[in-house]
Amino acid sequence: GQNIDQPTEMTATEGAIVQINCTYQTSGFNGLFWYQQHAGEAPTFLSYNVLDGLEEKGRFSSFLSRSKGYSYLLLKELQMKDSASYLCAVRANSGNTPLVFGKGTRLSVIA
Amino acid sequence: NAGVMQNPRHLVRRRGQEARLRCSPMKGHSHVYWYRQLPEEGLKFMVYLQKENIIDESGMPKERFSAEFPKEGPSILRIQQVVRGDSAAYFCASSPGPRDNSPLHFGNGTRLTVT
Repeated sequence: GQNIDQPTEMTATEGAIVQINCTYQTSGFNGLFWYQQHAGEAPTFLSYNVLDGLEEKGRFSSFLSRSKGYSYLLLKELQMKDSASYLCAVRANSGNTPLVFGKGTRLSVIA
Repeated sequence: NAGVMQNPRHLVRRRGQEARLRCSPMKGHSHVYWYRQLPEEGLKFMVYLQKENIIDESGMPKERFSAEFPKEGPSILRIQQVVRGDSAAYFCASSPGPRDNSPLHFGNGTRLTVT
């Protein structure tokens, strides 16, 4: 089976840093993806990790530890517009196979 | 707009009617995926198609649901004899050729309400 766990909700203050964790147990592993989804909108791709370590992209960074089945998304210098759901997804099989998604973490950024 | 296009954005059907959801992938993408999302739930995979072929339909209910991606035209997700439990947001995504690092690009979804 496939299992991806994320916290349901988080709250953080504007200008701060927040870390959203994701743990996964899947039948295989060929990459982990993070998406952002604003209410009523399409999920948009943020980052991709397949090797252990940190990938940095502007204010957003994503970390992966394959041995621990663990990833996190780090958001720096939080802005009000970062209030959204953040979805962790794993590609369990090789090739262009479907992604398995966690339930998402709803982040609220407050002033 | 070169993104994934879904229509309609909102669809209301009475119980027992049919719902047809359309998806045009991004230009140059030949792989289409359908997902369903319920409130407070994650995206649940339904079906994966390439042109004229169903590659993986393991997430799609065996009855009442069908999907196609013809050689010409959009991909269609069809739900026959809808029931209240079918009310959800249905998202389509597309990607280019088979690479592990290909993200899925999502459309804005169709919100189906069954009354």
